[in-house]
This record gives sequence, structure tokens and C-alpha cells, in this order.
Amino acid sequence: DAKTTQPPSMDCAEGRAANLPCNHSTISGNEYVYWYRQIHSQGPQYIIHGLKNNETNEMASLIITEDRKSSTLILPHATLRDTAVYYCIVRTSNTGNQFYFGTGTSLTVIP
Amino acid sequence: DSGVTQTPKHLITATGQRVTLRCSPRSGDLSVYWYQQSLDQGLQFLIHYYNGEERAKGNILERFSAQQFPDLHSELNLSSLELGDSALYFCASSPGLAGGHPSSYEQYFGPGTRLTVT
Repeated sequence: DAKTTQPPSMDCAEGRAANLPCNHSTISGNEYVYWYRQIHSQGPQYIIHGLKNNETNEMASLIITEDRKSSTLILPHATLRDTAVYYCIVRTSNTGNQFYFGTGTSLTVIP
Repeated sequence: DSGVTQTPKHLITATGQRVTLRCSPRSGDLSVYWYQQSLDQGLQFLIHYYNGEERAKGNILERFSAQQFPDLHSELNLSSLELGDSALYFCASSPGLAGGHPSSYEQYFGPGTRLTVT
């Protein structure tokens, strides 16, 4: 699986957009980019995923660069409840459907 | 609420003992995955079952085993427990199986079982 690189921590002011970057320069053509988050010790929560095109859902937007070597997760209006560890994962179907989690980005939303 | 349930929530046991963790997937999901999260290792994939059959193994110790039953619930058995097995154990379910072509099936995680080995 392609390796991902994320900053270890970030801060964001409440109400502002949180932009979380992820580098996946070795991504292959059939690999999806997934984002999950984990609040405290709860089970990881699915946020969004994409292959080539930008994606948006009720939680966030995912912007994937044209060369697919990096992506950005955007939380449009961060709230205190968005404080969590955010994982960017690149997954291929070649080795099954499991996810390989890295160390993620610890996002702190500041009042 | 993801729809995935895990029991028990907490488990405290002694070294050398054996425990069973249980997972019920979301209604209709055929795939179940087990993950271990310890302080020093992060989230590690253990094993994947699809419709009762083992599909993939990750960093699962030989002392650990799992199975998925006809009603699709799954159990993770941990034996000869050591202090280092203390961790959060998560299961996740997914509706499909990634085949030879890209899959877009997300996984939904349960709340986890916190195992403490003393």
C-alpha cells in the first residue's frame, strides 16, 4: 500500500475552515484515498473517500490534486467536536479491503 | 452510532488466560475486520473475514484466532495472554469485498473492547 505523510498536529480556530494535508506521492492508479477520524479512544469514524475527483459530503470536502500525489481534507466550519486524530489512508484492492493506518494528524479546534 | 456492536466494552484478565471478544456487523454487511490499537503501535489490522471465510491476515499473533459465524457475527479469541496484549480491539464491517478491481466500500467501526491484562 502507498505510504501517506501527514503533519503530526494542527490547530484551527472554531468556526474557521480546517485544512488537513496528506501526501501520498507513491499512490497507484487504482488506489483510493480515505479519511477517517478518531475521537479520544472511540472507534474510527469514516469521513470521506475519493479516487480522482474532488468529493463533498455533509461532513467534509476532499480535494485531490490532478497528479493524485496529495490531497486535502477540508472541514468547512470546525467545531470543538471536530477535535480528533485524522487519518489519511491510501487503500488498494490488490491486498484486500483492510486499512493501514498511519500516525495521523491530531487536530485541535480552539475556542 | 455506526451500527457495529462489540461486547464486552471492558475486559480485565490475568496473564496466561484466554478471552473472547464478540462483534456484530451492521445489518447486511458481509465483511468483518479486526484491528488492535495499542499505545505504542497505533491501529493495526489483524484479520478479515468475508461471509464466513478468512480473506486476509495482518499482524495477528499465532495465539490469536478469529471466526465468522453463519449469522455473520465474529469472535476474536486471544489466548495465553501477555501484558503486551493490553489494547483496544476494534472490529469494523463493510458491505463488500474488494476483488481484482478497485473497491469503494468504506468500513464502519464499532466502539471497541478495552482489554487489560494484569
